[in-house]
Amino acid sequence: GENVEQHPSTLSVQEGDSAVIKCTYSDSASNYFPWYKQELGKGPQLIIDIRSNVGEKKDQRIAVTLNKTAKHFSLHITETQPEDSAVYFCAARSRAGGSYIPTFGRGTSLIVHP
Amino acid sequence: NAGVTQTPKFQVLKTGQSMTLQCAQDMNHNSMYWYRQDPGMGLRLIYYSASEGTTDKGEVPNGYNVSRLNKREFSLRLESAAPSQTSVYFCASSEARGVNQPQHFGDGTRLSIL
Repeated sequence: GENVEQHPSTLSVQEGDSAVIKCTYSDSASNYFPWYKQELGKGPQLIIDIRSNVGEKKDQRIAVTLNKTAKHFSLHITETQPEDSAVYFCAARSRAGGSYIPTFGRGTSLIVHP
Repeated sequence: NAGVTQTPKFQVLKTGQSMTLQCAQDMNHNSMYWYRQDPGMGLRLIYYSASEGTTDKGEVPNGYNVSRLNKREFSLRLESAAPSQTSVYFCASSEARGVNQPQHFGDGTRLSIL
């Protein structure tokens, strides 16, 4: 099955700095890579996703890059703000039997200091 | 627009007791999922239902059963609770199997087993 590794587990930055979170995956058949943000006491919420036919996608201060050859993808947050503080999860979606099942990384706790 | 609703939000059980966690979605999604979240472990899939009438085991199914009651509802049952099942449980739904669509999560059930 798919295996997703996520680094770092904790990331501390100053407000206004950039933050980068990296994930690697093992199944070359994986073709969908979402990123989720989880605030305290809440469920994860999708913030951006990328499909395997695209190398980069941007949405305001957030961007995701995908390198299919190396089997890794990254989340980039620019001009970080205190409200970006949360746990971020990457996932890779691959086929399991007749269904497409996402496998999650272990999460990155991002702390943005004012 | 409720999205994914989980009940209860909190529960304390004694070892050996049974209980059912409820999940309902109002987005007409075909696929539904149950995850558990433990510190440093990310989200681990317990069971999923790719469509109404089908259920399949995920990564950590032991000690759990599920029922896809109808298209809207997917319940998780602990027959004989154990302290190792203390965790936060998340239900999620997504549009269709075989389609690269994100998951929508509820806000979780925090379960403690004494």
